[in-house]
Amino acid sequence: DIQMTQSPSSLSASVGDRVTITCRASQGISNSLAWYQQKPGKAPKLLLYAASRLESGVPSRFSGSGSGTDYTLTISSLQPEDFATYYCQQYYSTHLTFGGGTKVEIK
Amino acid sequence: EVQLVESGGGLVQPGGSLRLSCAASGFTFSSYAMHWVRQAPGKGLEYVSAISSNGGSTYYANSVKGRFTISRDNSKNTLYLQMGSLRAEDMAVYYCARGRPPYYYGSETYYYYMDVWGKGTTVTVSS
Repeated sequence: DIQMTQSPSSLSASVGDRVTITCRASQGISNSLAWYQQKPGKAPKLLLYAASRLESGVPSRFSGSGSGTDYTLTISSLQPEDFATYYCQQYYSTHLTFGGGTKVEIK
Repeated sequence: EVQLVESGGGLVQPGGSLRLSCAASGFTFSSYAMHWVRQAPGKGLEYVSAISSNGGSTYYANSVKGRFTISRDNSKNTLYLQMGSLRAEDMAVYYCARGRPPYYYGSETYYYYMDVWGKGTTVTVSS
């Protein structure tokens, strides 16, 4: 299986900060990567797919980039509603796998 | 409104069985692949199972293979997960989710990401 490693596992940031989360795959995944946001007690929500394509209705402050094995999710200006846990997921292989998550907390 | 509503969770003893259901509405259910993803208390997301739009292809994570069976009834717009030989490590919130139809390459089936999720149903495995 392709292992997905997210870093950091948690971070503290302030409203207005630029936040970057990294997801590294154990092998190349050709941009077959999605990002999800999950708030406590809620279901995950799709933010981006194909590494950089914004899902409909998702604010443009969210963006994704990367290639090969390394991908990033960037929040350009953190808003109060963005405090949550973020997960990456690869769909390059037949065995779909998630990263371990990055919790974004209020500083 | 596109909606997925899970049901069927509850308390079950180790070794027991449970069937989860996921009722879909607001979209053409038969056109989409469907998935089950679980989340143990305080843990991250774990992919469990998938089924193609017509039910002809299925996928299981190694952790549940041979114990869980995914199925769907497109006439009822409902997805199922039959869980057997349940273990403590199966205790989790189980989410159903919608996905694009998979693509096929040779003998392999490739699923995609999940764009709509239900709110989840909780499975507790305990004696």
